[in-house]
Amino acid sequence: AQSVTQPDIHITVSEGASLELRCNYSYGATPYLFWYVQSPGQGLQLLLKYFSGDTLVQGIKGFEAEFKRSQSSFNLRKPSVHWSDAAEYFCAVGPPNFGNEKLTFGTGTRLTIIP
Amino acid sequence: NAGVTQTPKFRVLKTGQSMTLLCAQDMNHEYMYWYRQDPGMGLRLIHYSVGEGTTAKGEVPDGYNVSRLKKQNFLLGLESAAPSQTSVYFCASSYSVGGGQVGEQFFGPGTRLTVL
Repeated sequence: AQSVTQPDIHITVSEGASLELRCNYSYGATPYLFWYVQSPGQGLQLLLKYFSGDTLVQGIKGFEAEFKRSQSSFNLRKPSVHWSDAAEYFCAVGPPNFGNEKLTFGTGTRLTIIP
Repeated sequence: NAGVTQTPKFRVLKTGQSMTLLCAQDMNHEYMYWYRQDPGMGLRLIHYSVGEGTTAKGEVPDGYNVSRLKKQNFLLGLESAAPSQTSVYFCASSYSVGGGQVGEQFFGPGTRLTVL
C-alpha cells in the first residue's frame, strides 16, 4: 500500500531564511506527487505537482520541489520565507491513474515564521 | 468561476441527528471526493465519484453515504451522527487528462462539524 511520511510535525523558521520540508513516500512505481498548503481555516491549495519529466518542479509563491527516485523523496524548498508562508503543508502521492484510487496524504508539517 | 464550494461552513449536531453536506463545483470535473481531516491524521478519503451517478468507498466510509445525481454536485450524508464524526470535511474535484489519467485535485473551503 502506498504511504507518505512527513517526519517534521512542526518547523519554525525566521523570516528571510531558507526552508526545506521533507516528504518520503512508499509506492511500487513512480507516483504522482503533490504539495498542498493550508492556511488556518482554509481549504487546501496546490503549490506544485510532479507527474513526469524534469525532477525539479517549480510551483506558486516561489516554492520548488525535487523528486529523487533513489531516495523516494519529494522535498519542498523555498530560498527565503515570508511571514505569509506560515501555514500547514501537506505532501500527497497518487498512482498515475488515481481517479479510481485514493490520493494519500501525509500528516502535514506546520510552519511557523518568526520575525 | 467559484471553483469548489461547500455548504454549510459550520454545523453542530446532537448524537443521532442526520444531515447532508453539499459540495458543488463549476469546473465540469468528472471526479469528486469527500475527505475528513483530523488532527495528526492528515486527510482521509471517505467516498469518491468518478462520474455522474457513480460512487465508491474510500478509506473510511462507515457511517457516511453519498450521492452524485448531477455532475456538478456531490452530497455527503450522515444518517445518525456520532461524536467520532466530529471533524472538518473537505470536498475536492479533479479532471481527466486523457489516457485514463487524472489531474490534480481542487479543494473546497471545508465544513467544520461538531457532534455532541
